[in-house]
Amino acid sequence: NAGVTQTPKFQVLKTGQSMTLQCAQDMNHNSMYWYRQDPGMGLRLIYYSASEGTTDKGEVPNGYNVSRLNKREFSLRLESAAPSQTSVYFCASSPRGGSHSNQPQHFGDGTRLSIL
Amino acid sequence: GESVGLHLPTLSVQEGDNSIINCAYSNSASDYFIWYKQESGKGPQFIIDIRSNMDKRQGQRVTVLLNKTVKHLSLQIAATQPGDSAVYFCAENPNQAGTALIFGKGTTLSVSS
Repeated sequence: NAGVTQTPKFQVLKTGQSMTLQCAQDMNHNSMYWYRQDPGMGLRLIYYSASEGTTDKGEVPNGYNVSRLNKREFSLRLESAAPSQTSVYFCASSPRGGSHSNQPQHFGDGTRLSIL
Repeated sequence: GESVGLHLPTLSVQEGDNSIINCAYSNSASDYFIWYKQESGKGPQFIIDIRSNMDKRQGQRVTVLLNKTVKHLSLQIAATQPGDSAVYFCAENPNQAGTALIFGKGTTLSVSS
């Protein structure tokens, strides 16, 4: 009963390097999300995918791209990493997203990313 | 902008006490609220939720209260235990097209025995 699985758990990059963070869920959820968590800032939405085949920008999308590979998988890509992107990244899923979805999101345990 | 905030960044209690964690929200159109618990090194874990047509909802040792008049949400934990030590977040669904949940900044609960 894995839920939401994120890989890798830790990563150190140099400025300018690229990286893809992987996320997979086994709950047959339609909607998936990527957040970043910084000290004192709470969780901020980067991108989300309300359903397979769709993606939308969240609060802080600059410097990131996403791919909803299939219903299970939603990846986050940093094309040219910057020190400001040092953060903990969380992936989440919910049965159905969007403005009228009153359902909780289920989170993975995060990827801790440091950019030097 | 609209945001969800918590009144206190930290709360310290003794084991066995009742804990109350507060949250203020700003969007009157929000119709769904969630409390999450986050332990060190882990992702947020769902605790309890409440819809805007309710004032109170109870779970196991936890109660969520919603006061729509003053846009206030609280989480009550009965007989707090050391295992309850964590960061607690509230989140709201602003019920707007193209948006997802909005999270507050979190309250760190420390339980001493």
